[in-house]
Amino acid sequence: KQEVTQIPAALSVPEGENLVLNCSFTDSAIYNLQWFRQDPGKGLTSLLLIQSSQREQTSGRLNASLDKSSGRSTLYIAASQPGDSATYLCAVSMGGSQGNLIFGKGTKLSVKP
Amino acid sequence: DGGITQSPKYLFRKEGQNVTLSCEQNLNHDAMYWYRQDPGQGLRLIYYSQIVNDFQKGDIAEGYSVSREKKESFPLTVTSAQKNPTAFYLCASTDRPGTEAFFGQGTRLTVV
Repeated sequence: KQEVTQIPAALSVPEGENLVLNCSFTDSAIYNLQWFRQDPGKGLTSLLLIQSSQREQTSGRLNASLDKSSGRSTLYIAASQPGDSATYLCAVSMGGSQGNLIFGKGTKLSVKP
Repeated sequence: DGGITQSPKYLFRKEGQNVTLSCEQNLNHDAMYWYRQDPGQGLRLIYYSQIVNDFQKGDIAEGYSVSREKKESFPLTVTSAQKNPTAFYLCASTDRPGTEAFFGQGTRLTVV
């Protein structure tokens, strides 16, 4: 059974720092991996989608990498800002006809001014 | 603007009541999903549907029911058989299984 783990559970950094959020999964036969952002009491906003054949994806100050064989993904946030404060969720899809996502519990990020 | 609309934002249920959460999408996506989120836990799959008039149970389907009569709509009913329904419910859709998932803003259900 696929399990997704995110470390750390919470992270507090000063504004301007570059930071890395980690995601690991137990079954490397994933179809894709997706990073989301969730603000308190809100839904999920898709940040980046990495297909299993890709190594990384970039969007603005965000860069996500995927090492499928080792079961790891990282989300790199450059020059963090207070507006980046949120919970970041990692999820994998195993493909097939079901297509649902299996989620980690998230990393709660706080960026201090 | 294309997206997923969930309503209501907040819902209160009395003991023994059934309540229905609405999810509508205008993305023309085939697949739709319902997830439940509890504090300190990851999202868990309740039900999913790949096409109209067809749906499948997820990991925690007991006490829930769904319908998919139209492509754009996937309502979730929380029945009185669900013993611990207080949670945040999220609806999602994908163009087809395995593609980028988009989520609604969620419905917070509280038992009173």
